[in-house]
Amino acid sequence: DTGVSQDPRHKITKRGQNVTFRCDPISEHNRLYWYRQTLGQGPEFLTYFQNEAQLEKSRLLSDRFSAERPKGSFSTLEIQRTEQGDSAMYLCASSRDGEAGELFFGEGSRLTVL
Amino acid sequence: GQNIDQPTEMTATEGAIVQINCTYQTSGFNGLFWYQQHAGEAPTFLSYNVLDGLEEKGRFSSFLSRSKGYSYLLLKELQMKDSASYLCAVKDSNYQLIWGAGTKLIIKP
Repeated sequence: DTGVSQDPRHKITKRGQNVTFRCDPISEHNRLYWYRQTLGQGPEFLTYFQNEAQLEKSRLLSDRFSAERPKGSFSTLEIQRTEQGDSAMYLCASSRDGEAGELFFGEGSRLTVL
Repeated sequence: GQNIDQPTEMTATEGAIVQINCTYQTSGFNGLFWYQQHAGEAPTFLSYNVLDGLEEKGRFSSFLSRSKGYSYLLLKELQMKDSASYLCAVKDSNYQLIWGAGTKLIIKP
């Protein structure tokens, strides 16, 4: 399978714990995005990498969120001191450079904070 | 502010045609996308418009009018598997995607 893969698919954690999600993009894609989506809403932009450089980070993203893409390949999204409001689907997407830059999404990592 | 508006929910009959509208107000425009998202799954790409006019792809067509800030997705010969949410998204002047909340399409036999 050469699509975008995310791990874990589901994570249940207690409030205050740290969680980390991993995303492996399509190999020839140099752009990688993280989004958050809640029920009945469209994806909400979190952050964006071009190769290993983090080019943009949403103002909505608190200091508890951090993302890395150390070698320009896979990426991790860490949430520290989780809160119940962090419960959502975390989507990773990748794309090529170019005007269209259609996004290819992974299946998502669903986080439930108790 | 930036805003994408689309109806929350629509219902249509199997075999019929449905049009899902999207209006947008964004800081700049670098293309409009339509994505399909089945419940519990990731969005999948349907269409891309950057110039005015109609783009046809099989049973699905997408129309854009940049002067009106308007697009629609037209689905023909509806099938039960078309039941899903349809997301409209616009690339702004910074090439970031601004997403609508999606339109939930319910297909009835």
